Amino acid sequence: QKEVEQNSGPLSVPEGAIASLNCTYSDRVSQSFFWYRQYSGKSPELIMSIYSNGDKEDGRFTAQLNKASQYVSLLIRDSQPSDSATYLCAVGTISGNTGKLIFGQGTTLQVKP
Amino acid sequence: KAGVTQTPRYLIKTRGQQVTLSCSPISGHRSVSWYQQTPGQGLQFLFEYFSETQRNKGNFPGRFSGRQFSNSRSEMNVSTLELGDSALYLCASSWGLTDTQYFGPGTRLTVL
Repeated sequence: QKEVEQNSGPLSVPEGAIASLNCTYSDRVSQSFFWYRQYSGKSPELIMSIYSNGDKEDGRFTAQLNKASQYVSLLIRDSQPSDSATYLCAVGTISGNTGKLIFGQGTTLQVKP
Repeated sequence: KAGVTQTPRYLIKTRGQQVTLSCSPISGHRSVSWYQQTPGQGLQFLFEYFSETQRNKGNFPGRFSGRQFSNSRSEMNVSTLELGDSALYLCASSWGLTDTQYFGPGTRLTVL
């Protein structure tokens, strides 16, 4: 089982729709969760971070975290063609005196005009 | 505040050569991570340095090595280059080991 799993997609949604991206993780003691967006040929850029159960909203983006079920999701409202990119989920875990941030393989989102 | 910088941005090498890539983190960040990304692949974790110590290492051969200096700047070295080493190499910096990582623009390495 991969430590952080995402459906590779592509996920295709029409412009204006809600895109829902999901991520599951295996380590129950994970404490920090991030969503990154990566355009083709570019480096990942942070969209949101979330640390507590529940929803966190930032503009058109909402991150949802459920630690009991070990999943984190990203909702993109009013999807635009410019949202077409690969979305990476990252999960942080501290163990003893060290820690690590694990990235999923990413979900490709296509927003069709 | 300046972002993460990586040099060089593009590099062309031939098989058997070695290469050194450089990363300057955001001021104040002590953690630097390196990733390899090839077409169709996700981010493959290479290693992470925190306060000049390698804290984590990915599953890459010993040809891949790195170090971090006292000013948190980091370098990674690849010796005896192979065609399969052609990739985008990304550096990311953060305050701590599980905090938000901010990525540099990457170095695109082509091995001929």
